[in-house]
Amino acid sequence: EDKVVQSPLSLVVHEGDTVTLNCSYEVTNFRSLLWYKQEKKAPTFLFMLTSSGIEKKSGRLSSILDKKELFSILNITATQTGDSAIYLCAVLNQAGTALIFGKGTTLSVSS
Amino acid sequence: DVKVTQSSRYLVKRTGEKVFLECVQDMDHENMFWYRQDPGLGLRLIYFSYDVKMKEKGDIPEGYSVSREKKERFSLILESASTNQTSMYLCASSSGLGNTEAFFGQGTRLTVV
Repeated sequence: EDKVVQSPLSLVVHEGDTVTLNCSYEVTNFRSLLWYKQEKKAPTFLFMLTSSGIEKKSGRLSSILDKKELFSILNITATQTGDSAIYLCAVLNQAGTALIFGKGTTLSVSS
Repeated sequence: DVKVTQSSRYLVKRTGEKVFLECVQDMDHENMFWYRQDPGLGLRLIYFSYDVKMKEKGDIPEGYSVSREKKERFSLILESASTNQTSMYLCASSSGLGNTEAFFGQGTRLTVV
């Protein structure tokens, strides 16, 4: 059965800390792994990862995929209160017909 | 600018009512999905469709049905709404080809009273 597991489920940090969010997966005919950030509305897209070992970066956020070990990490450096959100990991299969989500990591950044 | 549009942001319905949630995408995507999102449970797939008039059950289809008469529109139907269907409903679409992410609508927060 296809599945995506995120850890931790929740995390509380202080502003300025660095956090690492984890996502492991098992899916048939993998196409891509997607990270989304969700505040009080629909998820917004962060990264799409298709190849192992190539880091994607956007400001203080970065992510990398390991297709051999079937996991991805999302790093956030110098966290800010605006980073407080649910971070969702999803895996898409080749045909795009399976979009499977983990339960998300709820990140709270305190000032 | 690509778009997935859900017909309502907020809905309040009475128990037993028939409820229609509409989702329209303008990207010519083959695949469309309906999820519900509840605290602690993440996004759970209700139904998806990979082509016009085609549909597949997801993880929690009970109490729901769907309709896809046109490629751009995917409707979720609650035949007889119940209070345990109070939730955030998210529609998404993805392409069957190429390497693009899945796109979400803005979500519909449904309350059944």
